[in-house]
Amino acid sequence: DGGITQSPKYLFRKEGQNVTLSCEQNLNHDAMYWYRQDPGQGLRLIYYSQIVNDFQKGDIAEGYSVSREKKESFPLTVTSAQKNPTAFYLCASSIFSSGLSEQFFGPGTRLTVL
Amino acid sequence: GNSVTQMEGPVTLSEEAFLTINCTYTATGYPSLFWYVQYPGEGLQLLLKATKADDKGSNKGFEATYRKETTSFHLEKGSVQVSDSAVYFCALIVGVVQGAQKLVFGQGTRLTINP
Repeated sequence: DGGITQSPKYLFRKEGQNVTLSCEQNLNHDAMYWYRQDPGQGLRLIYYSQIVNDFQKGDIAEGYSVSREKKESFPLTVTSAQKNPTAFYLCASSIFSSGLSEQFFGPGTRLTVL
Repeated sequence: GNSVTQMEGPVTLSEEAFLTINCTYTATGYPSLFWYVQYPGEGLQLLLKATKADDKGSNKGFEATYRKETTSFHLEKGSVQVSDSAVYFCALIVGVVQGAQKLVFGQGTRLTINP
């Protein structure tokens, strides 16, 4: 079955540690996205990537980093510079298109920094 | 800038009640509009969409009409079920930048349906 996999579902880290969240898709999508979700707020875009080896900052990129070495994978690193990293993180993907195409979302990773 | 405002939740209804969740937007240009649904512990699923004024999106008994004159995209369902309990997000896209689409989301509305 095609889809987006995020692991782990729950992640706990100590303050000051970097942590990497995994996102893998087998939909053959070119574009991938990372969003952050906080209670009572909508999703906010952290980073996005249209093609391999290229990515762009979203609205809240500070304290985060990404890589896109393979089409299927778009890992997100939450660094110690992120002031409030506890949140629900969602990965999404879509086909590369000049027109509108649906974004498909993974199940999310809930990160708690202790 | 581009933004989406949804009615505040939580919304609690009885089964078979009529549902409306209000959504208004501000956008530069001509946005496409979406409703996404998030069931407990899961990611988001696209519920419906509309790409131009007066379009009506519909799916699973839900409907929303793109109203340019009132900059609104209210979600409605005639008879809700317990299984509709979820968080609903209104969102927009204005244009596509090099093949990637930047969704702008509202804050979400939590809906609970009681049997």
